Amino acid sequence: EVQLVESGGGLVQPGGSLRLSCAGSGFTFSTYWVSWVRQAPGKGLEWVANIKQDGSEKYYGDSVKGRFTISRDNTMSSLYLQMNSLRAEDTAVYFCARDRYDSTGCVDYWGQGTLVTVSS
Amino acid sequence: QLVLTQSPSASASLGASVKLTCTLSNEHSTYAIAWHQHQPEKGPRYLMKLNNDGSHIRGDGIPDRFSGSSSESGAERYLTISSLQSEDEADYYCQTWGTGVQVFGGGTRLTVL
Repeated sequence: EVQLVESGGGLVQPGGSLRLSCAGSGFTFSTYWVSWVRQAPGKGLEWVANIKQDGSEKYYGDSVKGRFTISRDNTMSSLYLQMNSLRAEDTAVYFCARDRYDSTGCVDYWGQGTLVTVSS
Repeated sequence: QLVLTQSPSASASLGASVKLTCTLSNEHSTYAIAWHQHQPEKGPRYLMKLNNDGSHIRGDGIPDRFSGSSSESGAERYLTISSLQSEDEADYYCQTWGTGVQVFGGGTRLTVL
C-alpha cells in the first residue's frame, strides 16, 4: 500500500523557519517525482514545489520561490521542505504528493497533511 | 498562462448523477488533467487522469461510478459521478501540469441533497 506521511508542522513566528518531512512507503520512492501542495484555511489547493527522481531538477511556485527549498533523500525514502522567511500567508496544511510514474506532474497519491501556522 | 476554471459549487440528489466541469485556458486546450476528491479532515484522493480525447485512467480502488469525458472543442473536461452517495459530498479539484509547473482549479464543492 502506497503511503505518504508528513511531519514537522507547527506554530512559527513570522520571519522564522520550519522544515517539513514526508516519509514514503509501499513503492520505490527513488523512481518517482514528488511534490508539496498546500491548502490555506478556506482556500483551494496550491502547488508549492516538486523534485525529480534524482533531485537534479526542482521547480517552485511563484509565491515561495527564493524562500522554500525542496529536497529528498532516496536512501531514506523521504522528501523535505525547508521553509524560511515565513509569512502569515504561508499558514496552511502542507501535503506531500507523488506523481504518476508515466506522467510527471499528475499527482496520484497524497499524504494526510501537516499544519503550519505562522503567527506571532 | 496555464489556468483551470471550475464552478464554486454544485448540488445533486442522493442516487442521481452530477457532471462537474473544468475549463482549460484556450491555448492549453489539449492538455490532460487529473481529478481529485478532497473530503474534510482528510488528504485529497486521486480519482483519475483524463486525456483530451476523453480517455481516462482511474486511480486504485476508484469505482466506475466516477467517469471522465472531454468536450469536442477540447477545452472542457468533465467529471461525472453517478448513483450519488452521501460520502461523495466533498470538494473536487482538477489539476494540470506543464514543464516545471502544476496548476489546480479553484475547486467545486459538491453537496449531496
